[in-house]
Amino acid sequence: DQQVKQNSPSLSVQEGRISILNCDYTNSMFDYFLWYKKYPAEGPTFLISISSIKDKNEDGRFTVFLNKSAKHLSLHIVPSQPGDSAVYFCAASTGANNLFFGTGTRLTVIP
Amino acid sequence: EAQVTQNPRYLITVTGKKLTVTCSQNMNHEYMSWYRQDPGLGLRQIYYSMNVEVTDKGDVPEGYKVSRKEKRNFPLILESPSPNQTSLYFCASSPELLRGLWTGELFFGEGSRLTVL
Repeated sequence: DQQVKQNSPSLSVQEGRISILNCDYTNSMFDYFLWYKKYPAEGPTFLISISSIKDKNEDGRFTVFLNKSAKHLSLHIVPSQPGDSAVYFCAASTGANNLFFGTGTRLTVIP
Repeated sequence: EAQVTQNPRYLITVTGKKLTVTCSQNMNHEYMSWYRQDPGLGLRQIYYSMNVEVTDKGDVPEGYKVSRKEKRNFPLILESPSPNQTSLYFCASSPELLRGLWTGELFFGEGSRLTVL
């Protein structure tokens, strides 16, 4: 049973526009939420995270929003750049020893 | 350079032939873990280790073994591989727990693509 879901397998965005990637979760015990970025033939790399006590975290062009009541997480990339084209994984942790991943969204930024 | 190194990167084997995928990290991380990535399922944890000689099962441990004899190494062992273990495997490490909580920030290796015929 998938506790973290990314319902959009792919997303295409024009360069310079905003990319919005969405993620839903079912476990109310999750304490930390993370986004990982993955290029082909490479391992995932950590991008940005947010604690459950916050509703927003920014790091440069990347902002993560958390809506706990809706059990919804989103990643905004503004402005989008061609180098952002990758697969993005949403993940969640209960603060214990495991990280639950979504199935990923492939972002394509069109020049 | 800080990194997690996995070997082999690609392997084709046959059912029942024991194999080991090695993983080594040079960041002095206490926590290490193995994940497998399958289409439509995301990444799922196989085993993890909080420190030397401390290992525990993740979500999909069946058919796998691990050991943590040294801090830097965390090999994944498939004693008798089967076709359903065909997958992309990732080793990952993480610094020690922060205030007793693990935030989930992992450093991943480049992956090992395993095919079992």
